[in-house]
Amino acid sequence: AQSVTQLDSQVPVFEEAPVELRCNYSSSVSVYLFWYVQYPNQGLQLLLKYLSGSTLVKGINGFEAEFNKSQTSFHLRKPSVHISDTAEYFCAVNPGNQFYFGTGTSLTVIP
Amino acid sequence: DGGITQSPKYLFRKEGQNVTLSCEQNLNHDAMYWYRQDPGQGLRLIYYSQIVNDFQKGDIAEGYSVSREKKESFPLTVTSAQKNPTAFYLCASSIGGSFYEQYFGPGTRLTVT
Repeated sequence: AQSVTQLDSQVPVFEEAPVELRCNYSSSVSVYLFWYVQYPNQGLQLLLKYLSGSTLVKGINGFEAEFNKSQTSFHLRKPSVHISDTAEYFCAVNPGNQFYFGTGTSLTVIP
Repeated sequence: DGGITQSPKYLFRKEGQNVTLSCEQNLNHDAMYWYRQDPGQGLRLIYYSQIVNDFQKGDIAEGYSVSREKKESFPLTVTSAQKNPTAFYLCASSIGGSFYEQYFGPGTRLTVT
């Protein structure tokens, strides 16, 4: 069975500070990894994805994530956040047949 | 513009009534999905369809039904058998294949009283 753990349910951070949102997964097979963002009362929008190759993946809005196979992690980072980054962030894995989503991390950027 | 539309945005129903949520896509995607989102629980898969006239149950299919008569459309019916239907429902589609990301609609918030 697959599982995705987002270790922090809420992350407050000051504007222009760096942020890391953590994601760990459990899987006995290789997986594809994704980060999505959700603004209030909207659908999910893809931030970035890891399929293969370089373990450092760059996405939209200045976000990046690093795949660590030995630690089964796929943490999301941004060096300097903006007010507009306030949203819910979801990590997801796909082992080949279905998406499994984490429970989400609510990022709040404080002016 | 290509995308996924869900209607209505907000839906209110009385307990005991069936209700159908609409999902339409013009992305020419083969696969479509329905998720339920509850606070603190992330997204849970209700049903998915990889091809027209075929669909499979997801993790929480009880109390729901779907149809896939056209490639563009994947309506979800929330039946009176669903014990706790109040939630945010998201429809998604993908080209197909595990490495293709899913594209999401704006969601429908269903409130049953």
